[in-house]
Amino acid sequence: GAGVSQSPSNKVTEKGKDVELRCDPISGHTALYWYRQSLGQGLEFLIYFQGNSAPDKSGLPSDRFSAERTGGSVSTLTIQRTQQEDSAVYLCASSSSGGVNQPQHFGDGTRLSIL
Amino acid sequence: GDSVTQMEGPVTLSEEAFLTINCTYTATGYPSLFWYVQYPGEGLQLLLKATKADDKGSNKGFEATYRKETTSFHLEKGSVQVSDSAVYFCALSDTQGGSEKLVFGKGTKLTVNP
Repeated sequence: GAGVSQSPSNKVTEKGKDVELRCDPISGHTALYWYRQSLGQGLEFLIYFQGNSAPDKSGLPSDRFSAERTGGSVSTLTIQRTQQEDSAVYLCASSSSGGVNQPQHFGDGTRLSIL
Repeated sequence: GDSVTQMEGPVTLSEEAFLTINCTYTATGYPSLFWYVQYPGEGLQLLLKATKADDKGSNKGFEATYRKETTSFHLEKGSVQVSDSAVYFCALSDTQGGSEKLVFGKGTKLTVNP
């Protein structure tokens, strides 16, 4: 389809394992965002990529979280040594340029459950 | 940092009732303001936006006016339908650090009964 695609849609893993979440943005969109949606904290910004610029990582909650974006398109969010508090829905969004007048288009998210 | 406060609900209304969901914000600079909606089983969708003071965003019968003097962006609809049942998020764009990241309120769950 033409929207933002995230995989997997659901992920259940044991505490201490590493996980990788994938995001395919809308074709041609240069800006890509990761957010986390959890019951206690609502929707929180994690990281932002824009073209070839250095990413804004100011929202990453700890050094266990990292993300990369290869070739200006697909992005992977990696969580190392997962903890139960990492359980949440991880949302990816993209926009055509990252400016305020360009709406962010969201994927359906990956629901991560840490046992 | 920037923040958004919205009434958390849940809000339950009968069909054709008037809806108001309050949203206020704290920000440095002049953010753009948004309402996003999440229908059951679906992803977040942009409902409407306003980019400067006194702008009114509107879509699907919903409206919100950017009020700089009261730092508010309340969502209104004159006559709700069952299909409006969803979670509504108020958000602002935070341009600090060079990114246009969104800062969200905690969401308001709306249920409309027939």
